[in-house]
Amino acid sequence: KAGVTQTPRYLIKTRGQQVTLSCSPISGHRSVSWYQQTPGQGLQFLFEYFSETQRNKGNFPGRFSGRQFSNSRSEMNVSTLELGDSALYLCASSLGPGEGTDTQYFGPGTRLTVL
Amino acid sequence: QQQVKQSPQSLIVQKGGISIINCAYENTAFDYFPWYQQFPGKGPALLIAIRPDVSEKKEGRFTISFNKSAKQFSLHIMDSQPGDSATYFCAASKGNNYQLIWGAGTKLIIKP
Repeated sequence: KAGVTQTPRYLIKTRGQQVTLSCSPISGHRSVSWYQQTPGQGLQFLFEYFSETQRNKGNFPGRFSGRQFSNSRSEMNVSTLELGDSALYLCASSLGPGEGTDTQYFGPGTRLTVL
Repeated sequence: QQQVKQSPQSLIVQKGGISIINCAYENTAFDYFPWYQQFPGKGPALLIAIRPDVSEKKEGRFTISFNKSAKQFSLHIMDSQPGDSATYFCAASKGNNYQLIWGAGTKLIIKP
């Protein structure tokens, strides 16, 4: 099976712009979670989607949003970019709640740089 | 209550030695404790995970020890190899909730 894929791998944006990141989960996985990784704050949970519904949300401002499509692919959007949004954004896929496993498989991430 | 504290921040071990990384948590509702390994430029990869109903789990050279009363768990890497040099993260979550709470990470260097 192919792993979790994320596109693009690298992005450079300027302050005030918006950005959309994409994640394709492992085939058959219906849950997608997003995390932000920075040297200062480490790994932080953004949100999780299952069956096109946001199931959980971390402590990030409303500028961070996401969605999931019927094929389980997910996108996250960051509007009005700030310098502090520069980070590695990681997507993780899982089978879904009630499937007997909590294992999350991570993609390689999208490296976002805000200038 | 949501924190997971990880130590040490960095660790240097000789090839063939035992690497030990420790984590402590506060929220007693946590019931899933995975360890992830991350190489530069890659996403985290699951190494091994444990639930509170067992005190130890071993997979190859990797062992998790779990102490429920102390709210601590640790990763032991036996016969450490240079290829094990990476950053290791502990994490925790509760129930069917995929919201992982992460430790700060340990940069492990195995000296040949």
